[in-house]
Order: sequence, then C-alpha cells, then structure tokens
Amino acid sequence: GAVVSQHPSRVICKSGTSVKIECRSLDFQATTMFWYRQFPKQSLMLMATSNEGSKATYEQGVEKDKFLINHASLTLSTLTVTSAHPEDSSFYICSATLRDRDSLETQYFGPGTRLLVL
Amino acid sequence: GNSVTQMEGPVTLSEEAFLTINCTYTATGYPSLFWYVQYPGEGLQLLLKATKADDKGSNKGFEATYRKETTSFHLEKGSVQVSDSAVYFCALQGGSEKLVFGKGTKLTVNP
Repeated sequence: GAVVSQHPSRVICKSGTSVKIECRSLDFQATTMFWYRQFPKQSLMLMATSNEGSKATYEQGVEKDKFLINHASLTLSTLTVTSAHPEDSSFYICSATLRDRDSLETQYFGPGTRLLVL
Repeated sequence: GNSVTQMEGPVTLSEEAFLTINCTYTATGYPSLFWYVQYPGEGLQLLLKATKADDKGSNKGFEATYRKETTSFHLEKGSVQVSDSAVYFCALQGGSEKLVFGKGTKLTVNP
C-alpha cells in the first residue's frame, strides 16, 4: 500500500515551453501533497505544500507564477513549470501524506521526474 | 528551528560488514523521526520510522532507536548487502506535516 506515482518519469523540452508533471496517490487519498526539487548529490528542497481544493503554500524563494500547482482531487496534484529555462532542469519529486493507525502523517514519495530544458 | 545532522559520506563497506549511519536532531517538542532510502535515479522510499522516545523502527534488517536523551536516531544494519547501496536520509517531522531532511549519506557496498 501507499504507492505514489509520477508522470512523466523523464522529460526533455525546449526553453520557453511549459511542462506539466502529475503526482498520483494510487491506493489512498491524500489531503496533502508536497513538491520537492533535488539537485545532484544534494538533499531535497521543499518547494510547496499542496492541499486538495485550496491554493498551494510556497516556500520562501519559490516563484508561484513559475511553478503552478493544482490539487484537483484527493489523489492528484500537478506541477506545471511555466516558460521553462535551462536553470529549471532538475529532479522533481512529489510526496503524499497518509495518516497511519498512530495518527502519524507519513509522507510517501513518488519515483521522481527528471526535467531537462534545452 | 528544527534541524537534522547526519554523518558525512560517502561510506564504503564490504558485503556483510556492520553499518552505522549517525543522525542527530534538534527540535522543540516531540518530533517523529524517519529514515528514507533513495536508490540511483529514483524517488525516496520510507525505510523505517519512530514516533516517540525509545521506539525502535525496523525494516529489511535495518534498525534505528529514538533516543531522546541523546537526540539521536542512528541507523544500523548487522550485515549489509550490495543491494543496500543507496543514499540514506534521516528526517524529522515536528509540529506540522513538513519533513526536515538531513543532507543524506551515500553508502556503497562492495562485493
């Protein structure tokens, strides 16, 4: 249980285009999803917290108009990188929270999406 | 604020060696603690977790005990395998759902 998928797993696009990344919780409903960015050989950097039916909360320094997040249902959140540029090339990872029997909100992660902007 | 410090890597071991990856934390209150593992080119997988002092999380031969007195959550495995080669992240969850991660420790296990 607690499987999270991401699509696509890898995308190459031209500079100036927009790219949409989907994050789905496959076997559970997640009221909260998170989007992270990971640079090579580094830890995860939280970009935003996404709650179903409401606007995402962005971390300081993350441009909300650049990284559009939509959380339309309890199983789907999308991240759209608008007008992508080479510096947006990175590994993007989402997570979805599941409350366990001890009422602990545990994050389960997707496999990640590698974005390369040419 | 909350923070996690884990030992600098990389760590290189021979198969069947004993593994310890140190993790200490700073937090107010009583955080939950996690170890995640990331295999090359993949996302993070939850390895184990503990929610209160003296709890021991365990999975796939890995163990970690929540030590409040030393604010630590060290990861251990008695006999590592080549397939354990990955990056390991210690993380804590404080008052919100957000996770605070350590910088990660890369483990390489040689045959």
